[in-house]
Amino acid sequence: QVQLQEWGPRLVRPSETLSLTCSVSGVAISSGGHHWSWIRQHPGKGPEWLGYIYDNGSAFYRPSLKSRITMSVDTSKNQFSLRLSSVIAADTAVYFCARGRGTVVDSWGQGTLVTVSS
Amino acid sequence: QSALSQPPSASGTPGQRVTISCSGSGPNIGTNTVNWYQQLPGTAPKLLMYRNDQRTSGVPDRFSGSKSGTSASLAISGLQSEDEAIYYCAPWDDSLNGLVFGGGTKLTVL
Repeated sequence: QVQLQEWGPRLVRPSETLSLTCSVSGVAISSGGHHWSWIRQHPGKGPEWLGYIYDNGSAFYRPSLKSRITMSVDTSKNQFSLRLSSVIAADTAVYFCARGRGTVVDSWGQGTLVTVSS
Repeated sequence: QSALSQPPSASGTPGQRVTISCSGSGPNIGTNTVNWYQQLPGTAPKLLMYRNDQRTSGVPDRFSGSKSGTSASLAISGLQSEDEAIYYCAPWDDSLNGLVFGGGTKLTVL
């Protein structure tokens, strides 16, 4: 059974870069067939898909964030990462990493709250 | 504002049947299948239904899903207290090339 765990700084200053990593266990990212997503959720709101990446490094980003977002994958460590630059208070949210196949995202990490504040 | 429209709340008494609707548009529900997620307080969303009407392993058959045109619905029969949660519809959106989520429906079991 796949398990995902997000980790990274919980507090980020405005204008700086938010960086999170997702460690995957139970399945090898390199086995292929899945995409690996980042999704965030503002308090009291529905989740918001940010983007996803394949094991070969091909990534697809939410258009409104495309200029600020970068995803990467490290198959040797079975991890994938998110970088969101020039953060503002509105980027404060719970960030989830997740696994998907086709149009179905089936497994999520527990999520980590990242606060943007000086 | 979400591209999908869900009622913010729904309620029922134990044993009743409740239906949660989700209205979308061509690039999402009109073109792709719909997933439904259940979220309990303080936890990650859990995949409940996928491809419109397929239950994830372990989900009781009290839960059923359907889709017609650009709308979808989740029905819960024989309502139980543990069904109290927020439910999100989430189809793929071709214009986004990613998953789009509804605003969520908070289900209360009276």
